[in-house]
Amino acid sequence: QITLKESGPTLVKPTQTLTLTCTFSGFSLTTSGVGVGWIRQPPGKALEWLALIYWDDDKRYSPSLKSRLTIAKDTSKNQVVLTLTNMDPVDTATYYCAHRLIYCAGSNCYDYWGQGTLVTVSS
Amino acid sequence: QSALTQPRSVSGSPGQSVTISCTGTSSDVGAYDYVSWYQQPPGKAPKLMIYDVTKRPSGVPDRFSGSKSGNTASLTISGLQAEDEGHYYCCSYAGTYTFVVFGGGTKLTVL
Repeated sequence: QITLKESGPTLVKPTQTLTLTCTFSGFSLTTSGVGVGWIRQPPGKALEWLALIYWDDDKRYSPSLKSRLTIAKDTSKNQVVLTLTNMDPVDTATYYCAHRLIYCAGSNCYDYWGQGTLVTVSS
Repeated sequence: QSALTQPRSVSGSPGQSVTISCTGTSSDVGAYDYVSWYQQPPGKAPKLMIYDVTKRPSGVPDRFSGSKSGNTASLTISGLQAEDEGHYYCCSYAGTYTFVVFGGGTKLTVL
């Protein structure tokens, strides 16, 4: 049974760096084809894809946020960490981590999601 | 503004069929057969309903089907049920630079 759960601060100040941790179970990020992605959703708005890390440490980022994003994995802890620098109120959103469906031909298929964590950016 | 264009809302009565469109460009939807669809009930995480344009993950009813023509993908839900209400998002692979793009979402109301 695959589960994922996001953790991190619920409130950050503008210009601060956000660090979110995705702790998962039921799969290993050392298995070929496995990936974990991050997607966010501002209140009342659409989903926005942020980043993806694969089992082989290959990483992909949204081009609009690439300069501010870092994704990393800790396979010993079954965790994926996302950092987003220079936070702004427009970054207020629910942040989700999700497991990439292994036999999906693209990289846009996420079959298990965490519950999401709402991060508010405000001074 | 989202990269993929979806109608803001659609509606249908129980038992009817509805189709949600998702229009992209020749760089995303039109270039790859890598379109997925997500259902998001209010206050919950999205659920994968369709991937690779037409494939259904295990457990998704065959009332849900996907298709694509040119730069437009579609999700059809037949035999509408009250539990189908929610927002639906399309998502496409968009190449090695942009990578993944979502649509703006469509709210489905079952009348």
